[in-house]
Amino acid sequence: QQPVQSPQAVILREGEDAVINCSSSKALYSVHWYRQKHGEAPVFLMILLKGGEQKGHDKISASFNEKKQQSSLYLTASQLSYSGTYFCAGQGGSEKLVFGKGTKLTVNP
Amino acid sequence: DTAVSQTPKYLVTQMGNDKSIKCEQNLGHDTMYWYKQDSKKFLKIMFSYNNKELIINETVPNRFSPKSPDKAHLNLHINSLELGDSAVYFCASSQAWDRGREGSGGYTFGSGTRLTVV
Repeated sequence: QQPVQSPQAVILREGEDAVINCSSSKALYSVHWYRQKHGEAPVFLMILLKGGEQKGHDKISASFNEKKQQSSLYLTASQLSYSGTYFCAGQGGSEKLVFGKGTKLTVNP
Repeated sequence: DTAVSQTPKYLVTQMGNDKSIKCEQNLGHDTMYWYKQDSKKFLKIMFSYNNKELIINETVPNRFSPKSPDKAHLNLHINSLELGDSAVYFCASSQAWDRGREGSGGYTFGSGTRLTVV
């Protein structure tokens, strides 16, 4: 089951904040977040495994709700380097990691 | 000291040809994957191997055949290439999540192989 991401695209000015949401119809074992810059490979940002978990580093953080069906990625005081496409990916009962369709983030000066 | 390396980076070939993509990881991970990313950026799992054993085999045409000679290598062979096979193919690897190991559980992707079938 593919997680649903929203919004599809976000345009920010440097220093602004953004939230990207990820929703699953079933409880997940884990949720991953990745960032992919144009022409490059996706890069792992973080994994959340526990309901109610919040984690992050520097100005990028994420949460996973108690039911383990919703996750959000928080980008604060955005920098030009944050531009790219952000993917959430959910792992259910099987080994399979299914990616959402992505959220394209553009940070302008 | 590239973690996951794929070759070739670009592949342009004619319909009907057979081609292979190679992948190697030096991270000591147990599990390797092939993902296909289409023109709309959708990343779709194709295959997964754990310690040389096939554990995920999605609904992929049997023209696609993965092969894992050891846990550090996962190759993808494609027979009778079709126009619709054009995409970027990513190899990835992962290790099971470990509470004491920062970054564990996440997938490390290779730089991708852009396949164009003409």
